[in-house]
Order: sequence, then C-alpha cells, then structure tokens
Amino acid sequence: DAGVIQSPRHEVTEMGQEVTLRCKPISGHDYLFWYRQTMMRGLELLIYFNNNVPIDDSGMPEDRFSAKMPNASFSTLKIQPSEPRDSAVYFCASSSPDSRNTEAFFGQGTRLTVV
Amino acid sequence: AQTVTQSQPEMSVQEAETVTLSCTYDTSENNYYLFWYKQPPSRQMILVIRQEAYKQQNATENRFSVNFQKAAKSFSLKISDSQLGDTAMYFCAYGSSNTGKLIFGQGTTLQVKP
Repeated sequence: DAGVIQSPRHEVTEMGQEVTLRCKPISGHDYLFWYRQTMMRGLELLIYFNNNVPIDDSGMPEDRFSAKMPNASFSTLKIQPSEPRDSAVYFCASSSPDSRNTEAFFGQGTRLTVV
Repeated sequence: AQTVTQSQPEMSVQEAETVTLSCTYDTSENNYYLFWYKQPPSRQMILVIRQEAYKQQNATENRFSVNFQKAAKSFSLKISDSQLGDTAMYFCAYGSSNTGKLIFGQGTTLQVKP
C-alpha cells in the first residue's frame, strides 16, 4: 500500500475562498483522523471517523469547518470561508481494526496558507 | 475528556548523551495505549515507541525507552546515546481502546548538538 495520501501538499488561497483538503486512507483501515498542527497549539484532533461515520467532531473549531467520508477510501476537510488564522498544516491519519491502538499512519500533511 | 500535556516546549542535548522528555496525561479509562511519535523537519510523523496501559513492563526500542507510571499518569521518553538524526519534534499521544480516539500533546522540540 502507498500509505495515507493527502492532497494537495501545499495550498495558498485568499481569505474568503473555499478550501478542500483530501485524504485517501490505507486500504482496510477503518479509523480516519483529521488533525491541525500549529506552533501555538501543537497537534489538535479536529474530527475522526469509524467505518465512514463521524464519531467525535468536538475539535472542529467552528461552523466554517466541515468533514465528510463518503466511502472507506476517501475523506475531505472543507473550510468555507477561509481566514488567515486557518493557516496551518493539516494531517490525515488512519488506523486498522486489528491494530487500531498500536499505530496510526499519517499522510504527509497539507500546508495551508490563507492570505 | 482525555488530555495530554508536554510541559517542555524545547530541549537540547549533546550528541551521545541521554535526554528524557516528559509527558503526563489525564483519563478515567482503564484501557488505553500511549505513544511517542517523532516529527523531523520533513514533517513526516514516525512512531517511535508504544506502551499498552495494561502492561507493567516499560517498553524499549533500541536507544528509546519509556518510564510508564500509571498511577501518576506519567509517560516519559528516554533517548540514550543521542544522535544528530534524533533532532526533531516529539509528540506524546494517548489512544483510547474504547473509542479509538487518538490525541496528542503540544510537542517538544529536541535539538541534538554535535
């Protein structure tokens, strides 16, 4: 397997624009996590899914953020409208049912810059 | 709700020396896992070591070992014989066996000096 794949790697957008981040988890993994990394707050859990169902979205900062997982192989994190304070690195990670608590595998992250 | 706290934003160590990174957590659950992840400048998240909460024996992986104190809810990482390649940000993480939730601390930036 190619690992967790995120796209794009880098995104620069203007304030007010819609941004969509994409993630393809490792095949067979049934947990998918979205994190945001900033210098001030470290690695924050935004939302996570189990079998495509959102389990906990308490980390989503505001209504401008939304996440979906229409099938087992694809998830999106959308920000609409984007603001400069949303600038961060966004990570997606997945884990498997056989080893869900032994390791989460991470994508390379998307660096988002909102100007 | 569970929390993970890393109280050392930055640390440094001389090459070949030993360094210990601190982590505390809070939970009311009995079944969980603890992890240390390494993030080098490449941004990739790499698992360093894991510990099952039901195991009393501290986990060890080559130069990396943990001091797991369940009653104190403490989980420190010891790096022996530090190498330049150990320079990275280190994250402590808590994984719930009940819900699958995985949360991280704020991270500790470690610099290994030659």
